[in-house]
Amino acid sequence: TQLLEQSPQFLSIQEGENLTVYCNSSSVFSSLQWYRQEPGEGPVLLVTVVTGGEVKKLKRLTFQFGDARKDSSLHITAAQPGDTGLYLCAGGPNFTNTGNQFYFGTGTSLTVIP
Amino acid sequence: GAVVSQHPSRVICKSGTSVKIECRSLDFQATTMFWYRQFPKQSLMLMATSNEGSKATYEQGVEKDKFLINHASLTLSTLTVTSAHPEDSSFYICSARGGTTSGGIETQYFGPGTRLLVL
Repeated sequence: TQLLEQSPQFLSIQEGENLTVYCNSSSVFSSLQWYRQEPGEGPVLLVTVVTGGEVKKLKRLTFQFGDARKDSSLHITAAQPGDTGLYLCAGGPNFTNTGNQFYFGTGTSLTVIP
Repeated sequence: GAVVSQHPSRVICKSGTSVKIECRSLDFQATTMFWYRQFPKQSLMLMATSNEGSKATYEQGVEKDKFLINHASLTLSTLTVTSAHPEDSSFYICSARGGTTSGGIETQYFGPGTRLLVL
């Protein structure tokens, strides 16, 4: 069972377009992280959000943590080919579980066409 | 940011042999390390949680006798794939948990991954 569902699973857009990736769960998380992964490499941390309703901006990327800390979104403005990659959200630790691990979303594969 | 290294980055082996993958946290002490497996364009699947000085905790469906994990120090964890078979071919990624963000939340830092191909 996947605790965190991401949508869309695959996304192909033209350079300059905007996009939003969603990360949803029925579980509450103490924090949520977003990663970007390129082929053959490990995921690279983009941001950590902690407070319900929190919004963080990283250049053209805007991250939001839901008020109930169950969901998050990543919005990219004016996408560039360098944004291409697999975007992963990860939540944890989970208040409803006793483990200390992070749970990963299903992933969103983004391709930005020049 | 914190650095986690993995070695080797790529390995090809014959079916039936064992392969050891090392994961090191280079500039911080990792209280916990995690091992993941990943298939192309899919998310990371947690295999096991490794705590220094104690036995690893394996996720359901992961054979502990096949995927041996040793976490001998706060900076090193190893994953040994024993009697590897072609279906074990995959991208294996470790992560180390430690350090804190400004909000006091521990962060996971990932290694670059190890591509295993079993012939």
